[in-house]
Amino acid sequence: QKEVEQDPGPLSVPEGAIVSLNCTYSNSAFQYFMWYRQYSRKGPELLMYTYSSGNKEDGRFTAQVDKSSKYISLFIRDSQPSDSATYLCGKGLGVTGGGNKLTFGTGTQLKVEL
Amino acid sequence: NAGVTQTPKFQVLKTGQSMTLQCAQDMNHNSMYWYRQDPGMGLRLIYYSASEGTTDKGEVPNGYNVSRLNKREFSLRLESAAPSQTSVYFCASRSATGEDYGYTFGSGTRLTVV
Repeated sequence: QKEVEQDPGPLSVPEGAIVSLNCTYSNSAFQYFMWYRQYSRKGPELLMYTYSSGNKEDGRFTAQVDKSSKYISLFIRDSQPSDSATYLCGKGLGVTGGGNKLTFGTGTQLKVEL
Repeated sequence: NAGVTQTPKFQVLKTGQSMTLQCAQDMNHNSMYWYRQDPGMGLRLIYYSASEGTTDKGEVPNGYNVSRLNKREFSLRLESAAPSQTSVYFCASRSATGEDYGYTFGSGTRLTVV
């Protein structure tokens, strides 16, 4: 079993829809969680990070973590065609220290259609 | 622009040839990482360097070597390329202190081994 599981999609939604992207993980030692967005033929870029259970909001994006069920989600409100990308969830063991390595899911491909 | 710079962007190698992928960051980050990205496999860590002067193996180190040349530069070497090493390679860096928990990724090197 992979440490981080993510539905690869593709997920297609109409413009303006609320998008829900999800990841599950198996290692309870994970302490912090990140979402990255990756456009085609580009490097991943950090969207949000959190290291606690609950919700964290940034504009149209909300990251939700449920450590008891080992489940994290990213919600996108009022989705736009420019949100079409692959979304990667990442998890790490600690918040400081250079050796902290992120483990990533395989990514979910999202397409927002006009 | 500040960030992570990777060279080359594209490369085609013949089986058995060697090459070095270059990575440089100008954000004064302590830690640097090399990942490969394959369809259906997500991002997998090859090697990382927690700080200048140290390197450690990641999840898939076989067939690769690395050098942390100085704080800015971290290179990845393929001594004898194999078709299984056809992939997109990403370099990333991260600050080991403060609240900058996320990685900054380069734009990638697309490598094909024939």
